[in-house]
Amino acid sequence: DTAVSQTPKYLVTQMGNDKSIKCEQNLGHDTMYWYKQDSKKFLKIMFSYNNKELIINETVPNRFSPKSPDKAHLNLHINSLELGDSAVYFCASSQMSGKYSYEQYFGPGTRLTVT
Amino acid sequence: DQQVKQNSPSLSVQEGRISILNCDYTNSMFDYFLWYKKYPAEGPTFLISISSIKDKNEDGRFTVFLNKSAKHLSLHIVPSQPGDSAVYFCAARGSNYQLIWGAGTKLIIKP
Repeated sequence: DTAVSQTPKYLVTQMGNDKSIKCEQNLGHDTMYWYKQDSKKFLKIMFSYNNKELIINETVPNRFSPKSPDKAHLNLHINSLELGDSAVYFCASSQMSGKYSYEQYFGPGTRLTVT
Repeated sequence: DQQVKQNSPSLSVQEGRISILNCDYTNSMFDYFLWYKKYPAEGPTFLISISSIKDKNEDGRFTVFLNKSAKHLSLHIVPSQPGDSAVYFCAARGSNYQLIWGAGTKLIIKP
């Protein structure tokens, strides 16, 4: 049973297109995240939702919009794709305890290539 | 401004020997530290963690040491095995629910 799953695993698309990446977790966690791993391999947080409420919204272009229909799902929609959006995007989930979360569990990543 | 630094991009260790991966941080407010392991084409996998109130945590072959005065932590793997070859990320928990990540160290275990 996959704990955190992402679809698609690979996404190749042209500049200017709109695309979505889906994420689902079956761990019963209340918090989900989107990370971007850039060309230098840094993992950078983009967004986080706790119980469907946005709690982290880093400085990313507003072409990126997360949507959390329920606690088990967090999707990422990207409008007007640009070359610089090419990266690996990871979804993760964790359980919050008070205002803290502990270890995060990651999906396998989605490699986005914009041509 | 990197708050979590892993200064060694790669490390090569003989199978059976000890692997020591290092991580430095700048923010004394970090209260929890984690190590993750990542294989190619997979997401990072949680390995071991340590609270700032401790100086050592052990789990099987993996031990994490924390030196708060030096703002330094290290991950020891002993004995190193071929399956340990991966990229290891250090992360620190800051305010606002976030984990701050290092750039990773690629560990290569030589047979």
